[in-house]
Amino acid sequence: DTEVTQTPKHLVMGMTNKKSLKCEQHMGHRAMYWYKQKAKKPPELMFVYSYEKLSINESVPSRFSPECPNSSLLNLHLHALQPEDSALYLCASSQVLGRRGNTGELFFGEGSRLTVL
Amino acid sequence: QQQVKQSPQSLIVQKGGISIINCAYENTAFDYFPWYQQFPGKGPALLIAIRPDVSEKKEGRFTISFNKSAKQFSLHIMDSQPGDSATYFCAAPKGPGANNLFFGTGTRLTVIP
Repeated sequence: DTEVTQTPKHLVMGMTNKKSLKCEQHMGHRAMYWYKQKAKKPPELMFVYSYEKLSINESVPSRFSPECPNSSLLNLHLHALQPEDSALYLCASSQVLGRRGNTGELFFGEGSRLTVL
Repeated sequence: QQQVKQSPQSLIVQKGGISIINCAYENTAFDYFPWYQQFPGKGPALLIAIRPDVSEKKEGRFTISFNKSAKQFSLHIMDSQPGDSATYFCAAPKGPGANNLFFGTGTRLTVIP
């Protein structure tokens, strides 16, 4: 079983809706990530949080708004999405690089499958 | 700009055969090369990884071969099993010492009984 939990597993929303995706990990990781994955494509990085601060935004449209309320939780707020935003949204966590023994491994959740009508 | 090029796109192997997936990279500053395995409906999971100071790493039936001069690395799956049927992604960090990854385009492996 994955140690990164994402909810909901499936979400259908209209273009005017506001919804949120949630991610939780209890491995003590201080780096958390949002990736977007379209069908038959590789995951694409959206955001990186390090020590609860946003460190990387891969030029993601403002209709996606990340939030890291504490070291275990990561949210992705969705507003005014487009049908082309339909995808699998993956959360991941890892140790912060630089610490002794860091493997560099990303631990992924199972994802939230989003459909925008 | 594709930082990691992966081939083949799909691969069909008989049970017991050897599956080989190749990746090529461009940035010589990359210092960590993982392979991720993804089953349908699941998130990717780390399978095996290598650092550029070694030429080969083996874990069970899975081996990474690394050719620094050619800027290539490959995944070999020995004695392939139907349970190995999944999509495999090679990856490289986006910067020296970074954890955020460039993923290759993926290889869909099917192992037929």
